[in-house]
Amino acid sequence: AQSVTQLDSQVPVFEEAPVELRCNYSSSVSVYLFWYVQYPNQGLQLLLKYLSGSTLVKGINGFEAEFNKSQTSFHLRKPSVHISDTAEYFCAVSGQNSNYQLIWGAGTKLIIKP
Amino acid sequence: GAVVSQHPSWVICKSGTSVKIECRSLDFQATTMFWYRQFPKQSLMLMATSNEGSKATYEQGVEKDKFLINHASLTLSTLTVTSAHPEDSSFYICSARDSLKLPFEQFFGPGTRLTVL
Repeated sequence: AQSVTQLDSQVPVFEEAPVELRCNYSSSVSVYLFWYVQYPNQGLQLLLKYLSGSTLVKGINGFEAEFNKSQTSFHLRKPSVHISDTAEYFCAVSGQNSNYQLIWGAGTKLIIKP
Repeated sequence: GAVVSQHPSWVICKSGTSVKIECRSLDFQATTMFWYRQFPKQSLMLMATSNEGSKATYEQGVEKDKFLINHASLTLSTLTVTSAHPEDSSFYICSARDSLKLPFEQFFGPGTRLTVL
């Protein structure tokens, strides 16, 4: 069975500082990996996805993530955060063995300090 | 492309009444739609998966008689919360995918906030 672990429930960071949100997964088969962002009282927006190819994936709003198969990780990074990045971030994985259902992490709340 | 809409965006109803939430794929054929529930400060919980023209498959612990799902066309799925009670208050999110073209990617609606008084 697949599972996703987001190790940090909250990550406080100062504005303009870099940030990394961690995501680890477990799966016995090839997976597809996603990061979604949810702003307060809104739905989900896809930040970026890894399907195949280059392990460094660039997404919207200056975010990027690196797929590391040996460490089963897909950490999300941004070199300089803004106050507008305050949101909940969800990592998700899907695979052929689960009929491509999304398996969700618990989410990480990114708190930007001025 | 790949836009999913939900209606209404929020609804308040009295206990005991039923509420219908619509999920539409605007520019693609949604062969599969998913309904999620999200409690405050928590992740998404999959309630059910529906394939167009078939009965929905409910996750364990989700009452199918309470949460009626209809996916009668390739662009529309509805979730009806029957005899709603305050504990059904939540944020409901749908997603859709074209299982033939992009089986591994879901596109999400903006969500519907249900408050049951």
